[in-house]
Amino acid sequence: GQNIDQPTEMTATEGAIVQINCTYQTSGFNGLFWYQQHAGEAPTFLSYNVLDGLEEKGRFSSFLSRSKGYSYLLLKELQMKDSASYLCAVRDSNYQLIWGAGTKLIIKP
Amino acid sequence: IAGITQAPTSQILAAGRRMTLRCTQDMRHNAMYWYRQDLGLGLRLIHYSNTAGTTGKGEVPDGYSVSRANTDDFPLTLASAVPSQTSVYFCASSDSQVPHNEQFFGPGTRLTVL
Repeated sequence: GQNIDQPTEMTATEGAIVQINCTYQTSGFNGLFWYQQHAGEAPTFLSYNVLDGLEEKGRFSSFLSRSKGYSYLLLKELQMKDSASYLCAVRDSNYQLIWGAGTKLIIKP
Repeated sequence: IAGITQAPTSQILAAGRRMTLRCTQDMRHNAMYWYRQDLGLGLRLIHYSNTAGTTGKGEVPDGYSVSRANTDDFPLTLASAVPSQTSVYFCASSDSQVPHNEQFFGPGTRLTVL
């Protein structure tokens, strides 16, 4: 079967750095997405990786290793507004997104 | 530009009743999707449409039907609601001409079936 694993919850301190990991086993691979979802709101797109390596976008970076079935989202200079759930999703051989359950990130002052 | 709108925002429904969740996008995206989101689970695809006039089944299609008469609208119908269909429903759209084809989500409909 297809599976996306990410930690259920993480806690970090304002101003610090946090890394959210995602491992996947899917039938085919056509890209990996990270989305942010604030409580009670819709998911919003953060990043996309299809080749191995690091993609940087401001305070957020995303890394992919296809051989290891592994990605991480790195958030720097954490702000209170970064408190949210972070969803990892893989596009499979049918070009459909398979979603992880999400990681709830709690930021403490 | 509104993006994607969904209606209603929330609904309480008696089991056995028929219900249609509405979704409209103004981005001229060719592809549209319906997901349900339940606590502790990832988003699960119910149905999708790659282009107007075509639809396909996702991971959890039973009890749901969709239609795609035009580019903008993608309604989801529960023919006879059951309590296990209590969930938050998200509609999404994407442009398959864009290399990474990211999905844009509507604000969601919170449905409770009693």
